[in-house]
Amino acid sequence: GAGVSQSPSNKVTEKGKDVELRCDPISGHTALYWYRQSLGQGLEFLIYFQGNSAPDKSGLPSDRFSAERTGGSVSTLTIQRTQQEDSAVYLCASSLDRNRGQRYGYTFGSGTRLTVV
Amino acid sequence: GESVGLHLPTLSVQEGDNSIINCAYSNSASDYFIWYKQESGKGPQFIIDIRSNMDKRQGQRVTVLLNKTVKHLSLQIAATQPGDSAVYFCAVEGRAAGNKLTFGGGTRVLVKP
Repeated sequence: GAGVSQSPSNKVTEKGKDVELRCDPISGHTALYWYRQSLGQGLEFLIYFQGNSAPDKSGLPSDRFSAERTGGSVSTLTIQRTQQEDSAVYLCASSLDRNRGQRYGYTFGSGTRLTVV
Repeated sequence: GESVGLHLPTLSVQEGDNSIINCAYSNSASDYFIWYKQESGKGPQFIIDIRSNMDKRQGQRVTVLLNKTVKHLSLQIAATQPGDSAVYFCAVEGRAAGNKLTFGGGTRVLVKP
């Protein structure tokens, strides 16, 4: 598609439930990133996928958070047993493969606003 | 690790005036710098970028300045317009940070008519 697409745009869930957030990156972009943005705050890195390399999971806040990327395209961020502090906007971005030396840029989706009640 | 900070959390500017937003970064190995604009309810939107082999880059009404000596980055917006009201983030990338973007806390720019 023309941009990075995220779904759902809004999600309200009860504490303790699991949620799945989806990201469709720009076609041809091999790098994909998940960030979290709490209200009025900056972006907090969560996880980074680059091609077939092992993902960089250094930003995941707990083992309740996991992400996968199937076929080098769509990615799903899963939060198990959600807590109220998980409430935030979850943003996905994609970019071209940096290692090819091509000019690259990161394009963000509009995010999924997660509210845990 | 990398840390990125902003000097001014909120900037009020008169329409037509120039705006300057500042950002400091900590890791001298950072080699790619980006400014993003984020409007309410939207994801960050790319404004302009600069690599570490440059100290200035100009776009349409925007200029990014990079001072590697003091690890400082700034965004200048010329003739600020109401549509420029948003939160602006600087972000840096480098091998030391695992090639992932690290964002500053953001500066809110309010344009007064």
